[in-house]
Amino acid sequence: GENVEQHPSTLSVQEGDSAVIKCTYSDSASNYFPWYKQELGKGPQLIIDIRSNVGEKKDQRIAVTLNKTAKHFSLHITETQPEDSAVYFCAASKNSGYSTLTFGKGTMLLVSP
Amino acid sequence: EADIYQTPRYLVIGTGKKITLECSQTMGHDKMYWYQQDPGMELHLIHYSYGVNSTEKGDLSSESTVSRIRTEHFPLTLESARPSHTSQYLCASSLGTGPQETQYFGPGTRLLVL
Repeated sequence: GENVEQHPSTLSVQEGDSAVIKCTYSDSASNYFPWYKQELGKGPQLIIDIRSNVGEKKDQRIAVTLNKTAKHFSLHITETQPEDSAVYFCAASKNSGYSTLTFGKGTMLLVSP
Repeated sequence: EADIYQTPRYLVIGTGKKITLECSQTMGHDKMYWYQQDPGMELHLIHYSYGVNSTEKGDLSSESTVSRIRTEHFPLTLESARPSHTSQYLCASSLGTGPQETQYFGPGTRLLVL
């Protein structure tokens, strides 16, 4: 089955700096890569996703890049703010009705004022 | 904000008790999921359902059982709780049955078994 590795497990940055979280996946048939953000006391929430026919996608301060050849994808957050502090999960899945999302182990991002 | 609800939010219970964790969504979503989240943050899929009368086991073996009698309701039951069941349980739903639909998560139930 699919295996998703996520690094780093914790990341501390100063407000205004950029943050990068990286994930690798094992199944070359995977073609959908969402990112979820989990704030304290809440369930994860989708923040951005990318499909394999796209190399990069941006939404304001967040962007995701995908390298299908190397089987890795990354989340980039620019101009970080304290409210960006949360746990971030990457995930991967194939486009099959019987497939499910495989999540990475999560990255705890701490943004200091 | 997703319309998916979990009750109770917190539960402390003794070993051997039977418990049911409730999950309801008002979005008319076909697919629903249960994840177990350990203290290290990792999410483990334990059950999912494509629709009414459909239940499937997830990647992580679990002693819990689920049922899907109504589209909006996906309860999880532990017949005999043990300390090893202590964890956070997250319910989620998605509109379609494909794997690439956005999953909407509930706030979770924190379970402590003494």
